[in-house]
Amino acid sequence: QKEVEQNSGPLSVPEGAIASLNCTYSDRGSQSFFWYRQYSGKSPELIMSIYSNGDKEDGRFTAQLNKASQYVSLLIRDSQPSDSATYLCAVVSGNTPLVFGKGTRLSVIA
Amino acid sequence: ETGVTQTPRHLVMGMTNKKSLKCEQHLGHNAMYWYKQSAKKPLELMFVYNFKEQTENNSVPSRFSPECPNSSHLFLHLHTLQPEDSALYLCASSHSRGTYEQYFGPGTRLTVT
Repeated sequence: QKEVEQNSGPLSVPEGAIASLNCTYSDRGSQSFFWYRQYSGKSPELIMSIYSNGDKEDGRFTAQLNKASQYVSLLIRDSQPSDSATYLCAVVSGNTPLVFGKGTRLSVIA
Repeated sequence: ETGVTQTPRHLVMGMTNKKSLKCEQHLGHNAMYWYKQSAKKPLELMFVYNFKEQTENNSVPSRFSPECPNSSHLFLHLHTLQPEDSALYLCASSHSRGTYEQYFGPGTRLTVT
């Protein structure tokens, strides 16, 4: 059973701070990793994808992947109240479709 | 219309009813997915269609019946549901089953009474 683990939170950070969201996965052969943002009552929205070890930056978002540690993270710089949402980590292994974690609820306090 | 649309957005049905959920994607994608999202549980993949052919059925009860008449449309037919089937049902699409960036519709909030 392929698993994706996330701390459910809530993770509370002050406005302007860096929010750090973490995800671990069980299948060492996983090759594609995604972060989705889901506002309350809305559907998930793809915000980042990462496929190789290291960092990938897109605006205020940075995804970090460490395959040796089976760990992927999402950093949000200069956090804004509008970033308050649940962040879902999703992983692809082999030929299977996305496996999602339960998500981490982020609350950015103004 | 752009992206992935779903109708209805909200549905209340009794356990003896038959209803259908509809999904349409306007992205030119060839793969479509049904997910179930219940409170405090991860997104659960239900069905996958690639070029109109069903490629995955993740042990979904037969009271859920998918239909994919073409690459742009996906239906989920519901009958004799149980209260525990109440959830948010999400449709998603991707370029093909082999490309994993999936784009979601707004979902249908289903309540079974």
